[in-house]
Amino acid sequence: KQEVTQIPAALSVPEGENLVLNCSFTDSAIYNLQWFRQDPGKGLTSLLLIQSSQREQTSGRLNASLDKSSGRSTLYIAASQPGDSATYLCAVVGSSGSARQLTFGSGTQLTVLP
Amino acid sequence: DVKVTQSSRYLVKRTGEKVFLECVQDMDHENMFWYRQDPGLGLRLIYFSYDVKMKEKGDIPEGYSVSREKKERFSLILESASTNQTSMYLCASSQQQGVYGYTFGSGTRLTVV
Repeated sequence: KQEVTQIPAALSVPEGENLVLNCSFTDSAIYNLQWFRQDPGKGLTSLLLIQSSQREQTSGRLNASLDKSSGRSTLYIAASQPGDSATYLCAVVGSSGSARQLTFGSGTQLTVLP
Repeated sequence: DVKVTQSSRYLVKRTGEKVFLECVQDMDHENMFWYRQDPGLGLRLIYFSYDVKMKEKGDIPEGYSVSREKKERFSLILESASTNQTSMYLCASSQQQGVYGYTFGSGTRLTVV
């Protein structure tokens, strides 16, 4: 059974720092990997989607990488801002199953201090 | 912009009530999902559906049922609500085999008293 781990569980940084969030998964047979952001009491907002054949995706200050063979992904946030404070969730989609279910990590709670 | 809409942001229900949580997507997606999210336990899949009238159990289906009579609507039903079903419920949808990723609704915070 796929297991997804996110390290660290919580992270606090001063504004302006570049930071990296880590995600690892146990079964490398994935279809794609998706990073989400969740604000307190809200739903999930998709940030980046990486297909299994891709190595990275970029959107603005965000860059996500994928190393499928080693079971790792990183989310890089450049020049962090207080508005980036949220929980970041990594989720993988397996390459089998009727609807390709998501398996989530437990998230990294990020606080960016002004 | 594509959307998954959950009908209620907050609900308070009494123990033993039958509760319906509604989810509608406007993207013509085949697949729809219901998750619950609890502190320390993360997101857990309750049920999913990959076609109209089709459903499959997820990891924690006990105490829940679902209905998908139309492609755009997926309902989660708590037959007899209990306090341990107090949680955040999240609906999601995806196209084909998830090739374009998943879109989530804004969540329903259900409190059972």
